[in-house]
Amino acid sequence: AQSVTQLDSHVSVSEGTPVLLRCNYSSSYSPSLFWYVQHPNKGLQLLLKYTSAATLVKGINGFEAEFKKSETSFHLTKPSAHMSDAAEYFCVVSTTSGTYKYIFGTGTRLKVLA
Amino acid sequence: DTAVSQTPKYLVTQMGNDKSIKCEQNLGHDTMYWYKQDSKKFLKIMFSYNNKELIINETVPNRFSPKSPDKAHLNLHINSLELGDSAVYFCASSLPSAGDEQFFGPGTRLTVL
Repeated sequence: AQSVTQLDSHVSVSEGTPVLLRCNYSSSYSPSLFWYVQHPNKGLQLLLKYTSAATLVKGINGFEAEFKKSETSFHLTKPSAHMSDAAEYFCVVSTTSGTYKYIFGTGTRLKVLA
Repeated sequence: DTAVSQTPKYLVTQMGNDKSIKCEQNLGHDTMYWYKQDSKKFLKIMFSYNNKELIINETVPNRFSPKSPDKAHLNLHINSLELGDSAVYFCASSLPSAGDEQFFGPGTRLTVL
């Protein structure tokens, strides 16, 4: 069975410093992995996805993630945080057999300090 | 143009009432979903339909009944509302494969008093 674990429930960074949001996955097959962002009182927006092509995936708003099979990780990074990055971030794995569905991580709240 | 829309955005009601939430997508997708986000922000799938056929039902109480009149619409009807049903409900749609992203609606915040 697939699962994802987001290692930090809260992360605080200063504006202009790097962001690292950690995600580990468990999957019997080559997984499809996603990062979504949810701003307060908003829906979810896709940041980026990995589907067995390049292991370094670039997304919107300067975010990127690296798929590391040996570490079963898919961490989200950004070189320089902006105030508008403050939001809830979800790591997601899609099941790969039968009917496809998302399995969500528990989320990481990113706080950006001025 | 809104890709996935939900109505209403907010819904406040009394325990025991019956209510519906509507969802529409104009992306031409075959697959639609309902998710529940609890007060701790945890998201869990409830239902999925593919071409109007129910394909996922994640042990949701019988009081919840999805209905898909056509592949662009997936409505959620809830009978005999309980306090524990208070949550944000998200509709989503996608193409039907593991690597395809899901597009989410803005959510409906349901408060049961």
